Amino acid sequence: DVKVTQSSRYLVKRTGEKVFLECVQDMDHENMFWYRQDPGLGLRLIYFSYDVKMKEKGDIPEGYSVSREKKERFSLILESASTNQTSMYLCASRTTYNEQFFGPGTRLTVL
Amino acid sequence: AQSVTQPDIHITVSEGASLELRCNYSYGATPYLFWYVQSPGQGLQLLLKYFSGDTLVQGIKGFEAEFKRSQSSFNLRKPSVHWSDAAEYFCAVGAESSGDKLTFGTGTRLAVRP
Repeated sequence: DVKVTQSSRYLVKRTGEKVFLECVQDMDHENMFWYRQDPGLGLRLIYFSYDVKMKEKGDIPEGYSVSREKKERFSLILESASTNQTSMYLCASRTTYNEQFFGPGTRLTVL
Repeated sequence: AQSVTQPDIHITVSEGASLELRCNYSYGATPYLFWYVQSPGQGLQLLLKYFSGDTLVQGIKGFEAEFKRSQSSFNLRKPSVHWSDAAEYFCAVGAESSGDKLTFGTGTRLAVRP
């Protein structure tokens, strides 16, 4: 079975802190994604990566950056966390035909 | 740009009743269509998918969905709902021309009455 893991299930940070969210997949997928999920808004794509060191902006990249140094690992970085970044963050990796497998999510609270 | 509409925000059904969750998409070419389910506090799990061929697709947990090109719809159905089906359901659309991205609907939250 495909496994996508995220480093934390719950995270509490303070405004202005630098935050790292880690995602690891074990199926050698080339494409990986970061979404945020907010009530009533569904999933919105922040960034995605189609290869090591390659990245593309999604629909809402402002305030975020990403890093992909190894194929299996895709990190989301909040350079200076703000309260409006309190959300559920979901990582996914892609197989064929755009099918995506998701991790369990990280619920981030910024105080 | 592609888009997905799930017109029902909340649905409540009685256990044992049938279920239909609506999904309409907007896209010019033949899309790839997906239904995902999310239990509270969890990530998304793929229920079923449509790429081509037979327009009625079967998924896990007794769910099925039918692709209707003329109506731009991909509705999810289950003949008899179980209490464990209470969750949030997301429809998503992708296509070769959109690269690797999926566009998700805003979700339908399903409650099941005992």
